Amino acid sequence: NAGVTQTPKFRVLKTGQSMTLLCAQDMNHEYMYWYRQDPGMGLRLIHYSVGEGTTAKGEVPDGYNVSRLKKQNFLLGLESAAPSQTSVYFCASSHGTYPTGELFFGEGSRLTVL
Amino acid sequence: SQQGEEDPQALSIQEGENATMNCSYKTSINNLQWYRQNSGRGLVHLILIRSNEREKHSGRLRVTLDTSKKSSSLLITASRAADTASYFCATDGGGSNYKLTFGKGTLLTVNP
Repeated sequence: NAGVTQTPKFRVLKTGQSMTLLCAQDMNHEYMYWYRQDPGMGLRLIHYSVGEGTTAKGEVPDGYNVSRLKKQNFLLGLESAAPSQTSVYFCASSHGTYPTGELFFGEGSRLTVL
Repeated sequence: SQQGEEDPQALSIQEGENATMNCSYKTSINNLQWYRQNSGRGLVHLILIRSNEREKHSGRLRVTLDTSKKSSSLLITASRAADTASYFCATDGGGSNYKLTFGKGTLLTVNP
């Protein structure tokens, strides 16, 4: 099983450009999440989804948009990239249980905004 | 804001020694989880402890939870060089919270 797959793994953008990060999971999980990881800051939740067609804001949602049109995919979009969005982005998924159980993470997408 | 805070930020030990990391959190929880991250990789789930549990074991890992003090500890016994990684605690916010909040992590270095 592939688990959670993120594409692309690396990307360099210029300020103002747009891009989309794709997260795909093959575990039929209900919940999906996007986190960003910065040095000294740990992981911070950007947006999350508790089911197909639903999304919700996390801790640091500004400058990002998300969509969950299919259960297995969770897209993270940057409409106008800024240097402050230089980070490593992690997607995660989990079963639709309450309370939230184990998260399965992708390997990360490293984004640099010049 | 961060829910969990790990302590220490960094820990360096010799192979064979035990490593203890602590996590403090702010609000009530349903469960607390520990994750490991090897350099340049994604996070991997280690263990989950529920709010009504006080201690849990998994192989060389022992986790304790003290809800009265809002704290947890992760003990790795007989550490190996392969245990070198960052370790994070993660908590939900209790109630009907579907998301996990992670701390900043403890960087563990195990020297051969």
